Amino acid sequence: KQEVTQIPAALSVPEGENLVLNCSFTDSAIYNLQWFRQDPGKGLTSLLLIQSSQREQTSGRLNASLDKSSGRSTLYIAASQPGDSATYLCAVSPSNFGNEKLTFGTGTRLTIIP
Amino acid sequence: GAGVSQSPRYKVAKRGQDVALRCDPISGHVSLFWYQQALGQGPEFLTYFQNEAQLDKSGLPSDRFFAERPEGSVSTLKIQRTQQEDSAVYLCASSYSLAVGNTQYFGPGTRLTVL
Repeated sequence: KQEVTQIPAALSVPEGENLVLNCSFTDSAIYNLQWFRQDPGKGLTSLLLIQSSQREQTSGRLNASLDKSSGRSTLYIAASQPGDSATYLCAVSPSNFGNEKLTFGTGTRLTIIP
Repeated sequence: GAGVSQSPRYKVAKRGQDVALRCDPISGHVSLFWYQQALGQGPEFLTYFQNEAQLDKSGLPSDRFFAERPEGSVSTLKIQRTQQEDSAVYLCASSYSLAVGNTQYFGPGTRLTVL
């Protein structure tokens, strides 16, 4: 059974700093990996999706990398802002189904201190 | 430009009551997913539809949970004889298809509290 772990569970950093969130998964047979953001009382917003054949994806200040063989992904946030405060979740989909049945980590709660 | 909507946003039920949670996916989206998110945890897969067909219900925790999507659009998740352990946020997501690169768009969720 696929297990996804995110470390740390919570992180507080001063505004303007760069930071890295970590995600690891036990079964490397994945179709893709996604990073989501969840704000309190709201649903999930997809930030970046990396196909299993890709190494990284970038969107603005966000960069996600994937090392499928070692079962690891990182989300790099540059020049953090208070608006980045949220819970960040990574999720993987199994290789034999395509983009469905996501398995999520427990998330990292990020607080950016003004 | 409506996204995925869910109703009600909050539901309080007494133990043993039946509840029905509704999901309106993005128009034209073929695939629809239900997830359960317990407090402090990541969402866990419950079930998945492609149009009106329920292709995977392996995540439903018991036979008290039932989901349907009769016309391939709106979906309802029904929980019979609710228990305290059913308290969670129930998230619905939809995607255009299973093609490579399609992401799932999530609704705001329904927070269910069973007393």
